[in-house]
Amino acid sequence: NAGVTQTPKFQVLKTGQSMTLQCAQDMNHNSMYWYRQDPGMGLRLIYYSASEGTTDKGEVPNGYNVSRLNKREFSLRLESAAPSQTSVYFCASSEALGADRPLYEQYFGPGTRLTVT
Amino acid sequence: QQQVKQSPQSLIVQKGGISIINCAYENTAFDYFPWYQQFPGKGPALLIAIRPDVSEKKEGRFTISFNKSAKQFSLHIMDSQPGDSATYFCAASIEGGSTLGRLYFGRGTQLTVWP
Repeated sequence: NAGVTQTPKFQVLKTGQSMTLQCAQDMNHNSMYWYRQDPGMGLRLIYYSASEGTTDKGEVPNGYNVSRLNKREFSLRLESAAPSQTSVYFCASSEALGADRPLYEQYFGPGTRLTVT
Repeated sequence: QQQVKQSPQSLIVQKGGISIINCAYENTAFDYFPWYQQFPGKGPALLIAIRPDVSEKKEGRFTISFNKSAKQFSLHIMDSQPGDSATYFCAASIEGGSTLGRLYFGRGTQLTVWP
C-alpha cells in the first residue's frame, strides 16, 4: 500500500515550457486535491476533484489545468510555465462519502519540487 | 481573503517546554478543525483534529483547545521534544455540503525545539 505517489520528485523548466505532474492513490479514495506550497503562504488549493469525472477550481487555479483520469489518478498540467509557478506541489486524497457522512483525513504525497527559470 | 489565520509564523522552544500555536477563523460554517504536521522534504500528515462540539481534545502530548464563541483554536505541545521540530498547519473545513472535504489552511508555524 503506497498511499499517494507523485512523479516527478524534482523538475526544472524554462519559461514557456509545459509539463504534467502525475498523482496516483491506491486507497480507493473518491476525492483528490492539488496544492502548492510557497514559503510563508501555507498550502493553497489549486484544483480538487470530489469524484471521478468532476473537477473544481480552488484558490489559485490560474495557469493550471487538471484531469481526473480515473478514480486513482489526478494530473496537474502547466501549459506555459512561468517563474511565479516555482513551488512545491502536493497531491492529496481523501474519502468524502457524502454530505451526510463524516469526512476523513487528507493523505498527502511526498511533493514535486518545480523550478521555472 | 485568508479563511484561517495562524500565528506565530515561527516558534523556538526549549526541550521540555510548552509550544502553543494559535489559529482564528471567521466562517461559522466550519465544523472540522484539523492540525497537520510537516517534516522537511515530506508531505503534511494529520496530527490531531477536533469538532466544535467539544472544547478540548488530547492525544498524548498534543492538545487542541477550541473556543467556539471566539472562533479560535490552538495547538498545545506539552514537554516539547527536538523530534517535534516541524512545520504545523491548522486548517478548517465544512464536512457536509458541496465543498466535500475541502480544507482551508493557515500559513503555517515553523517550530524549532532546542535540546
